[in-house]
Amino acid sequence: GAVVSQHPSRVICKSGTSVKIECRSLDFQATTMFWYRQFPKQSLMLMATSNEGSKATYEQGVEKDKFLINHASLTLSTLTVTSAHPEDSSFYICSARDREYGYTFGSGTRLTVV
Amino acid sequence: ELKVEQNPLFLSMQEGKNYTIYCNYSTTSDRLYWYRQDPGKSLESLFVLLSNGAVKQEGRLMASLDTKARLSTLHITAAVHDLSATYFCAAAYSGAGSYQLTFGKGTKLSVIP
Repeated sequence: GAVVSQHPSRVICKSGTSVKIECRSLDFQATTMFWYRQFPKQSLMLMATSNEGSKATYEQGVEKDKFLINHASLTLSTLTVTSAHPEDSSFYICSARDREYGYTFGSGTRLTVV
Repeated sequence: ELKVEQNPLFLSMQEGKNYTIYCNYSTTSDRLYWYRQDPGKSLESLFVLLSNGAVKQEGRLMASLDTKARLSTLHITAAVHDLSATYFCAAAYSGAGSYQLTFGKGTKLSVIP
């Protein structure tokens, strides 16, 4: 079935630094990639929708200058958290629509900013 | 704006019992999905429901969709401990052609031996 590979699975960074999270669709072309954020014991909140070759669409309240999304190819989308702060610590998950009208999720990235 | 409400949010049940999780959504949706999430893990796809009256079953879990009532249910039959997890429903709508998913708050299921 469809697979989305997400890396890294865990990252600890110092406050003020930037972190890049990658999501690759391994056996299908992901024209649209979704980026979610999940705080402990909460649901997934959509941060942005990225379409290959165009600018991402950010949800209300999500700072586009802080969460940079690049979707340069049909198989790769990246989320860069710039100048990270402790409040950015969260579980980040990417998702792509696959051929079977389902959504395939990456394995998630646990970001801890210290 | 599509809203998805799930209940109950917490469910503690004994092994062997049956129970149903409910998922209501506010406006017309193209598709309804059920996912399972284990602690510290990402989402595992359980069911995709595409049309009114759709029913799908996998093991002890059965999902159904009533588009007229804007309701989906996830029925658990003879629960076992391995089913302990958080279950999310999500509805899709083709806003701007992107088919975004809107998630319910999740139901944390604890199956007690």
